Amino acid sequence: EAGVTQFPSHSVIEKGQTVTLRCDPISGHDNLYWYRRVMGKEIKFLLHFVKESKQDESGMPNNRFLAERTGGTYSTLKVQPAELEDSGVYFCASSLRRGQGAGETQYFGPGTRLLVL
Amino acid sequence: GEDVEQSLFLSVREGDSSVINCTYTDSSSTYLYWYKQEPGAGLQLLTYIFSNMDMKQDQRLTVLLNKKDKHLSLRIADTQTGDSAIYFCAEYPKGGATNKLIFGTGTLLAVQP
Repeated sequence: EAGVTQFPSHSVIEKGQTVTLRCDPISGHDNLYWYRRVMGKEIKFLLHFVKESKQDESGMPNNRFLAERTGGTYSTLKVQPAELEDSGVYFCASSLRRGQGAGETQYFGPGTRLLVL
Repeated sequence: GEDVEQSLFLSVREGDSSVINCTYTDSSSTYLYWYKQEPGAGLQLLTYIFSNMDMKQDQRLTVLLNKKDKHLSLRIADTQTGDSAIYFCAEYPKGGATNKLIFGTGTLLAVQP
């Protein structure tokens, strides 16, 4: 079974440009999450989709970030316009279901390393 | 509140045991996780423990949970150079409308040959 995949693996852009990150969750996982790790700090939650609906977007930093999950399959996270402080590693994760139990364990992708110059 | 703390760095010699510590603040957390991130790679789920357990063992890994002190530890027996990585603990708060994990800053484990 394929794991969570993310594209691109690395992205270097200039301040003010737009970048779109993509995440493909594990097949059959309704729950999809975005997290971010800024250099040397903790991994922070950005948002959570259940199928195509945003369940929780409390971690989104500001309105320069837009996440979508059309059709409830893959998701994109767009940053427009990018700022220097947006640099970091963006992780995507997916889980089978919500609620208690090991079935909700979140499996992470390899991350996209974003550098804004 | 939501805050998970870990020491930033641990260095051990190959063959020794490693103990990585973590403290958390949300006493209602139901699951506590350990993830491993190797250089250039993503987060790999190592193990997890349910909050009504005190200990969980999985091959070379032992997780100890002290609920009173809100302290979680990961012991790696016979540490190998391949164990060099960043180890993140994460808590899953109970209830609420979200599944978000609360992560610590990560502990960089360096294994000296």
